[in-house]
Amino acid sequence: DAKTTQPPSMDCAEGRAANLPCNHSTISGNEYVYWYRQIHSQGPQYIIHGLKNNETNEMASLIITEDRKSSTLILPHATLRDTAVYYCPGTKAAGNKLTFGGGTRVLVKP
Amino acid sequence: EPEVTQTPSHQVTQMGQEVILRCVPISNHLYFYWYRQILGQKVEFLVSFYNNEISEKSEIFDDQFSVERPDGSNFTLKIRSTKLEDSAMYFCASKEQAMNTEAFFGQGTRLTVV
Repeated sequence: DAKTTQPPSMDCAEGRAANLPCNHSTISGNEYVYWYRQIHSQGPQYIIHGLKNNETNEMASLIITEDRKSSTLILPHATLRDTAVYYCPGTKAAGNKLTFGGGTRVLVKP
Repeated sequence: EPEVTQTPSHQVTQMGQEVILRCVPISNHLYFYWYRQILGQKVEFLVSFYNNEISEKSEIFDDQFSVERPDGSNFTLKIRSTKLEDSAMYFCASKEQAMNTEAFFGQGTRLTVV
């Protein structure tokens, strides 16, 4: 199964961009990069995903390096409601389960 | 927006009792999952289900656990004889397709075994 590593925590000022890194050096060619977040003990919430190209949606942008060994999630204008644990879970091409690590605990401060 | 719904939101049970956790996945989804999260720990994969059979299960998913899709809409997780260490949040998730789609998670059932 693909393993990922993330910094355990990060602070961000409200209104500023938050850049969250993820290392997924064991990812294989057909496995997508996914990002989720979890607010308190709620169910994980999907944010964005991509394979090779950079992606953007209404929540965030995803930058994937050319070798696909790492990615960065960008929250362009962080709000207090973005305070959460952010995950880039490992994925598996067959079976499609998500393997969650410890994630990055993001605290957005006023 | 479509969502995955789970019931009950909180279940308290005595050790040794059977519990059934219920989930209603999004209607056109074909892939179904159960995950759990012990307080303060990671979200852990339990089992995936497709085409009316288990496609993958983790080491946690032993003989005490079973899943079923009894009526084409509900997806259930049964724990036959609960242990104290089964206390956790249990999340159901569903996906429309295998690849290139996101998993939608329910809000979870908090299971407390006393």
